[in-house]
Amino acid sequence: AQTVTQSQPEMSVQEAETVTLSCTYDTSENNYYLFWYKQPPSRQMILVIRQEAYKQQNATENRFSVNFQKAAKSFSLKISDSQLGDTAMYFCAFMKHGAGNMLTFGGGTRLMVKP
Amino acid sequence: EAQVTQNPRYLITVTGKKLTVTCSQNMNHEYMSWYRQDPGLGLRQIYYSMNVEVTDKGDVPEGYKVSRKEKRNFPLILESPSPNQTSLYFCASSLYQVGRNEQFFGPGTRLTVL
Repeated sequence: AQTVTQSQPEMSVQEAETVTLSCTYDTSENNYYLFWYKQPPSRQMILVIRQEAYKQQNATENRFSVNFQKAAKSFSLKISDSQLGDTAMYFCAFMKHGAGNMLTFGGGTRLMVKP
Repeated sequence: EAQVTQNPRYLITVTGKKLTVTCSQNMNHEYMSWYRQDPGLGLRQIYYSMNVEVTDKGDVPEGYKVSRKEKRNFPLILESPSPNQTSLYFCASSLYQVGRNEQFFGPGTRLTVL
């Protein structure tokens, strides 16, 4: 079974600064996907970014980028130029390739962006 | 608009009173699933379905039932709710294709069992 660990329950950052959220996972699989989801106070789950394990290049989506270290089983999310609207819970999630679309989530990191 | 809908959004009930939370998607997705979210535990999968009439247990299936009679609908049934099922519930759907398997989530259902 896979496990996903987010070691930072809460973080804060000043507006316009950069913050990095950590995620580690444990798996014996070689092919898989990794995701970061954002959950604002509205509770909606919003996909921020995804990474295929077979791709060496780190995924980027505008101000959001990841540092994917496959050997270390690490998948951190970097948010640049933080905005007040980035305040939310962030969940890291793992999906095994070819065995259903089940997501295994970490416990979440609550991010507060301060003005 | 492509979306996953859930009803009700909020529900307060009492122990033992059967309830159903509905989930519907309009994206023709094969895959649908239910998660529950509890503080510090993230989201955990309850049940999933890979297509009509095909369902299977996730990580925390005890106390829940599901059915998939139509592709668009995937209701979650609590036959005899208990207080430990108080939680935030999410339905999600996705295509079942390599590279196109991002899950789209519903707005959530906040359930309180007294």
